Amino acid sequence: GEDVEQSLFLSVREGDSSVINCTYTDSSSTYLYWYKQEPGAGLQLLTYIFSNMDMKQDQRLTVLLNKKDKHLSLRIADTQTGDSAIYFCAESISGTYKYIFGTGTRLKVLA
Amino acid sequence: EAGVTQFPSHSVIEKGQTVTLRCDPISGHDNLYWYRRVMGKEIKFLLHFVKESKQDESGMPNNRFLAERTGGTYSTLKVQPAELEDSGVYFCASSQALADGQETQYFGPGTRLLVL
Repeated sequence: GEDVEQSLFLSVREGDSSVINCTYTDSSSTYLYWYKQEPGAGLQLLTYIFSNMDMKQDQRLTVLLNKKDKHLSLRIADTQTGDSAIYFCAESISGTYKYIFGTGTRLKVLA
Repeated sequence: EAGVTQFPSHSVIEKGQTVTLRCDPISGHDNLYWYRRVMGKEIKFLLHFVKESKQDESGMPNNRFLAERTGGTYSTLKVQPAELEDSGVYFCASSQALADGQETQYFGPGTRLLVL
């Protein structure tokens, strides 16, 4: 079946690194995505990774993918208060267009 | 370039009433999607249009929900009659296929629906 899991909360101090984890069950996923939702706002695409890649880096963001364990992580370096938001991971399934989302991880950055 | 827009941003209605949500996709995007997030849970797929045709409506909860995309541009999602469990945030997204096959979905700000 299709299932994506994330921990619900993460709290870090400003300047530290944040690591948000996600596990998925469907081995036919093609792309995996990270979206950010700030309070009262919509979903903003942060980054994505193709399922045959191990790592992707984009400025302060590093995505790591362990396909064997079906584990995806998003590392935010030098976390700022503006990074406080809900982070959703999502997978696209081969042969379909729909995304399967996790429950979202609420990141709180302490000053 | 304008992103995906949704209207209204918020809606508060009573149980039994009708509500219609609207989504305007990014210009030129053939694919349009509706998703819903019920309080604190995951964002769930509702349906997918390709132009004006329903490609996949496997996520629609029941026949109280009706989605249309006449002319292949904007889409509406009508809930009639609304029930308490319909409360949540309704997201619309649109996408267009790229040459490498990747098709990122761009999301709108969502409509927050509260049924009392």
